[in-house]
Amino acid sequence: GAVVSQHPSRVICKSGTSVKIECRSLDFQATTMFWYRQFPKQSLMLMATSNEGSKATYEQGVEKDKFLINHASLTLSTLTVTSAHPEDSSFYICSARDLGRHSNQPQHFGDGTRLSIL
Amino acid sequence: AQKITQTQPGMFVQEKEAVTLDCTYDTSDQSYGLFWYKQPSSGEMIFLIYQGSYDEQNATEGRYSLNFQKARKSANLVISASQLGDSAMYFCAMRDRGSTLGRLYFGRGTQLTVWP
Repeated sequence: GAVVSQHPSRVICKSGTSVKIECRSLDFQATTMFWYRQFPKQSLMLMATSNEGSKATYEQGVEKDKFLINHASLTLSTLTVTSAHPEDSSFYICSARDLGRHSNQPQHFGDGTRLSIL
Repeated sequence: AQKITQTQPGMFVQEKEAVTLDCTYDTSDQSYGLFWYKQPSSGEMIFLIYQGSYDEQNATEGRYSLNFQKARKSANLVISASQLGDSAMYFCAMRDRGSTLGRLYFGRGTQLTVWP
């Protein structure tokens, strides 16, 4: 089945550091990928929709300059948390759907990245 | 208005018993899809089951079944013969015509605990 790979799985870094998270679709092409943020015991909050070859679409309230998204190929999207601060600590998870398949196919998720900013 | 409502923050069930997790949805579209995902404490999102709005029969996948009541706009997940490994967060989600590029709308989730 379709697989989405997300790296790294865990990051611990100092305040002010920029952190890059990768999301790859391993066996299908994903013109669109989605980036979510999740706080403990809460639901997934969509941050942005990543579109291959064009600018990402950000949800209301999400800072574009803080969360940089690049979708340079049909299999790779990256999320860069720039100048991260402790309040950026969270669980980030990406997903993609194989648009070449039937609409009843689910989104496939990466395993997520736990980001801790000290 | 919320597209997906899950009213049970937490549910408890004894091993081998069945449990129903509630989900109601809000859409004016005729064509939509409903999904259930499981998220264990490790964080990955595991797809469980799908129900299309035009599907006449309730979806089933092994121990999972979806009790789809279209007129009530509900899509409850039924887990039969619960196992300890079923303890996790469960999310109901929907995709409809308003879902730009196929995005999903998620409910708040239900934390299921299975006890021996």
